[in-house]
Amino acid sequence: DQQVKQNSPSLSVQEGRISILNCDYTNSMFDYFLWYKKYPAEGPTFLISISSIKDKNEDGRFTVFLNKSAKHLSLHIVPSQPGDSAVYFCAATPSAGYALNFGKGTSLLVTP
Amino acid sequence: DAGVIQSPRHEVTEMGQEVTLRCKPISGHNSLFWYRQTMMRGLELLIYFNNNVPIDDSGMPEDRFSAKMPNASFSTLKIQPSEPRDSAVYFCARQPVGAQHFGDGTRLSIL
Repeated sequence: DQQVKQNSPSLSVQEGRISILNCDYTNSMFDYFLWYKKYPAEGPTFLISISSIKDKNEDGRFTVFLNKSAKHLSLHIVPSQPGDSAVYFCAATPSAGYALNFGKGTSLLVTP
Repeated sequence: DAGVIQSPRHEVTEMGQEVTLRCKPISGHNSLFWYRQTMMRGLELLIYFNNNVPIDDSGMPEDRFSAKMPNASFSTLKIQPSEPRDSAVYFCARQPVGAQHFGDGTRLSIL
């Protein structure tokens, strides 16, 4: 049973524009949310996180938004760059220190 | 650098053989996780350790799978006997504080 869902398997965006990746979850016990980026033949790399007490967290070009009532989070990348092309995984957990529940990922392609 | 070394990077073996995957996290973490990635199921937890003690092994598929963490700098995941459906990428991740940091994985192919 997939508790974290990324409904868009792929996304293509032009360089300089905004990339918006979406994620939905079903478990109301989830309290801590993360985004990972993965290049081929490498492990997932941590990108940004947010706890349920916040609705927004920003780190440079990356911003994560959390809507707890809708059980929805999104990752905004602006401006998008070709080097951002990768698979992005959304993950959720009841608390930092517990195992992560991952979505199946969204493959982002940023074209020049 | 996530501070997690996994070996081997690739393993190809015949079904029925024993397979041992290794993980060496740098020191300074509290928890260590083993995940498996397949096309069908995505990334899923197999087992995790806290202070070298197994906490949750509910994701281990069956008795053919076992994991150990004899010390804070070393963990193994063993499959015996291996089957073709075990083919996947296996990741190890350490967690000092906050986010988990992943190794580059072992790509396992069981023929």
